[in-house]
Amino acid sequence: GAVVSQHPSWVICKSGTSVKIECRSLDFQATTMFWYRQFPKQSLMLMATSNEGSKATYEQGVEKDKFLINHASLTLSTLTVTSAHPEDSSFYICSARVGLGVASNTGELFFGEGSRLTVL
Amino acid sequence: AQRVTQPEKLLSVFKGAPVELKCNYSYSGSPELFWYVQYSRQRLQLLLRHISRESIKGFTADLNKGETSFHLKKPFAQEEDSAMYYCALSGGNQGGKLIFGQGTELSVKP
Repeated sequence: GAVVSQHPSWVICKSGTSVKIECRSLDFQATTMFWYRQFPKQSLMLMATSNEGSKATYEQGVEKDKFLINHASLTLSTLTVTSAHPEDSSFYICSARVGLGVASNTGELFFGEGSRLTVL
Repeated sequence: AQRVTQPEKLLSVFKGAPVELKCNYSYSGSPELFWYVQYSRQRLQLLLRHISRESIKGFTADLNKGETSFHLKKPFAQEEDSAMYYCALSGGNQGGKLIFGQGTELSVKP
């Protein structure tokens, strides 16, 4: 099956620094990837839709200057948490869809294993 | 606005008992509904979706548009079913993004 890999799995950083999280589709091309944030024992909150070769689409309430998304190739999207603060500590999960075009809502979504960010 | 509601945070049953995890949604168009499962220390994975109308691991879910529900059912729970279950919705022309419910933790006791 399709595999989505995230790196790093966990990261600890100091307040004020920036952290980059990578999301790769290992055996398929993904024109669209999605970034989610999950708090302990809570749901996944969609942060943004990452589109290859174009700007990401952010959900309401998500600061685009805070969470920079770059989808430079069909197999890689990156999320950079800029000037991280303790409240940014969370579990960040990416997902990617196999197959059909951006306009379609069919096609299974595959999820990465998640990246746990802890900001001290 | 689109919204997915899972009213139960935790559902605890004994092995062999029937299970129903509730999911209600709010969406103005024709949504596609999914159930995702997350076993302990594993990534989220698709369990089933309404358009497939299939049974996976003994689980079934029927989309009821009148009640705007997509409850997940299994007649006889197994211990290995213990996991977090998330109901999710995808609307048309939205590029496939999923909106998730709050999740229900299913605990199946021996």
